[in-house]
Amino acid sequence: DAGVIQSPRHEVTEMGQEVTLRCKPISGHDYLFWYRQTMMRGLELLIYFNNNVPIDDSGMPEDRFSAKMPNASFSTLKIQPSEPRDSAVYFCASSRQGFNNEQFFGPGTRLTVL
Amino acid sequence: DAKTTQPPSMDCAEGRAANLPCNHSTISGNEYVYWYRQIHSQGPQYIIHGLKNNETNEMASLIITEDRKSSTLILPHATLRDTAVYYCIVRAANAGGTSYGKLTFGQGTILTVHP
Repeated sequence: DAGVIQSPRHEVTEMGQEVTLRCKPISGHDYLFWYRQTMMRGLELLIYFNNNVPIDDSGMPEDRFSAKMPNASFSTLKIQPSEPRDSAVYFCASSRQGFNNEQFFGPGTRLTVL
Repeated sequence: DAKTTQPPSMDCAEGRAANLPCNHSTISGNEYVYWYRQIHSQGPQYIIHGLKNNETNEMASLIITEDRKSSTLILPHATLRDTAVYYCIVRAANAGGTSYGKLTFGQGTILTVHP
């Protein structure tokens, strides 16, 4: 299995631009999670899906952030418009059905907003 | 949700056991203890989890005190590749808990393994 796939691995953009991060979970996994990691705030859960349905988006910082999961093999996290404070590493993770199943994390996307 | 307290950093000599403590004094009966680690520039990696019994797998052992208020992750023979940030997390076991399905990461313990 290829594991969780994220693209791009690095993204540099200018303030005000739209940014789209992509994630392909492990095949057969029912849960998908988006996290953000910064030095100041550590690793934070932004949103998670179960069977393509958003379950908890309480961690999404503001309306500039949106996430979708159109099917079981693809999810996007969009920031529009982007701001310098959005600079962070964004991780996607997936897990199988079952509350105690481990989450498998992708390699992350390092986003820099100038 | 129960919170965890971990020392910010620890050192260990290569080949020796690394014992990483975690306090979770407010843990409730339906919450599991999870350990993840994050090696520099990589995504977090699952290590082990448990409810009240001690657990062991190919990576580590987890010792949970009888009152479940603290636990210790043991890496029996630490190597240089075990240098990472180690996170202790409590997580609800059923949908009635607000932490169900979610992992809430704290600051973790930076473990440095020396040659």
